[in-house]
Amino acid sequence: DTEVTQTPKHLVMGMTNKKSLKCEQHMGHRAMYWYKQKAKKPPELMFVYSYEKLSINESVPSRFSPECPNSSLLNLHLHALQPEDSALYLCASSQETIAGPLNIQYFGAGTRLSVL
Amino acid sequence: AQKVTQAQTEISVVEKEDVTLDCVYETRDTTYYLFWYKQPPSGELVFLIRRNSFDEQNEISGRYSWNFQKSTSSFNFTITASQVVDSAVYFCALSEATPTSGTYKYIFGTGTRLKVLA
Repeated sequence: DTEVTQTPKHLVMGMTNKKSLKCEQHMGHRAMYWYKQKAKKPPELMFVYSYEKLSINESVPSRFSPECPNSSLLNLHLHALQPEDSALYLCASSQETIAGPLNIQYFGAGTRLSVL
Repeated sequence: AQKVTQAQTEISVVEKEDVTLDCVYETRDTTYYLFWYKQPPSGELVFLIRRNSFDEQNEISGRYSWNFQKSTSSFNFTITASQVVDSAVYFCALSEATPTSGTYKYIFGTGTRLKVLA
């Protein structure tokens, strides 16, 4: 079962709101990823967690704050976002990052975020 | 720098036609992996295939086939007898190590939007 579950599916928030996106996987994967995808563009990597530790931060603004409470769960906390942050936010997981380039990333269906 | 190029932005075909999606990559690594993903309108990226740099055998899975040629740095994807359900954006990706952490990440191409018309 290669399932990554993301909630909510849709989110509308104001620029002063605080919200969180949630991602869950039960495949025993030890690496989890957050991507941002604008319309007609490829996904852009934001963060990578490996064994529950932040491994990559692609210079993402601090208004995005990731959290990995355990190996199955990944959150993205949002605060004081801008309208240009409106996008599809995708979560992915893979067995681990240490194994190198062969890891397959499995994606969730994403959260469509609109910032008003 | 490592790079993936999908020169075809959008392709339209009529159902039952064959269609080939092109992917050209650049890498300095001798060992690397290439991937294809499908993204239907629902948003989820669906894994289709992984290929390592040492295996140049073509692969066939049902109506899908992949042609990997190291000599031309290409990893092309062909759909035979296309169907409306094949309509999606298709991404080619290359796995790259980040220098600081050693963690691997994907370098995505810009994607090819395939429209299959009934």
